Amino acid sequence: KAGVTQTPRYLIKTRGQQVTLSCSPISGHRSVSWYQQTPGQGLQFLFEYFSETQRNKGNFPGRFSGRQFSNSRSEMNVSTLELGDSALYLCASSLGTSELGEQFFGPGTRLTVL
Amino acid sequence: AQSVTQLDSQVPVFEEAPVELRCNYSSSVSVYLFWYVQYPNQGLQLLLKYLSGSTLVESINGFEAEFNKSQTSFHLRKPSVHISDTAEYFCAVSQRTNAGKSTFGDGTTLTVKP
Repeated sequence: KAGVTQTPRYLIKTRGQQVTLSCSPISGHRSVSWYQQTPGQGLQFLFEYFSETQRNKGNFPGRFSGRQFSNSRSEMNVSTLELGDSALYLCASSLGTSELGEQFFGPGTRLTVL
Repeated sequence: AQSVTQLDSQVPVFEEAPVELRCNYSSSVSVYLFWYVQYPNQGLQLLLKYLSGSTLVESINGFEAEFNKSQTSFHLRKPSVHISDTAEYFCAVSQRTNAGKSTFGDGTTLTVKP
């Protein structure tokens, strides 16, 4: 079974631009969660999508948005990029049911904002 | 709300020595508990998990963790470490009814010296 894939792996953008990151979950997984990892703030939860609906949301500004498609693939968008958005963005997928709480993580997208 | 505290940010240890990475959590509801390992420039790999049942859980590479409900702890141990265990380790918690949103500790950097 293929693991979680994220594209692109690396991105360099400038302040004010926008960016879209993509995540393909493990086949059969319906939940996709996004996390931001920075040296200063650690791993922070952005949002979770389940069956094309946002089910959970973290404490990030509205510049951070996401969506999920009918095949469970998810995209995350960041508009009006700021220097502080430089981070490793991790996507995790899971079955999405309460009985099995395990999330599987992708390799991440390293975003650098100049 | 839930929180995770990893009590040591850095743990240096000599090869073949035992190690314990400490993790305490706080939650008002039942939780799942996880330990993840992250190697440089990679995503998170699940090391072991506590979902239910036996409070002692083991991984295939010699790590074990014990869920202690009264002390709200989930410490990670290994009786004899190898150079290859050098990595960052994250403790995480998620609510049983909301498993798509995990809260992570700040991480512990384990450095194994020869």
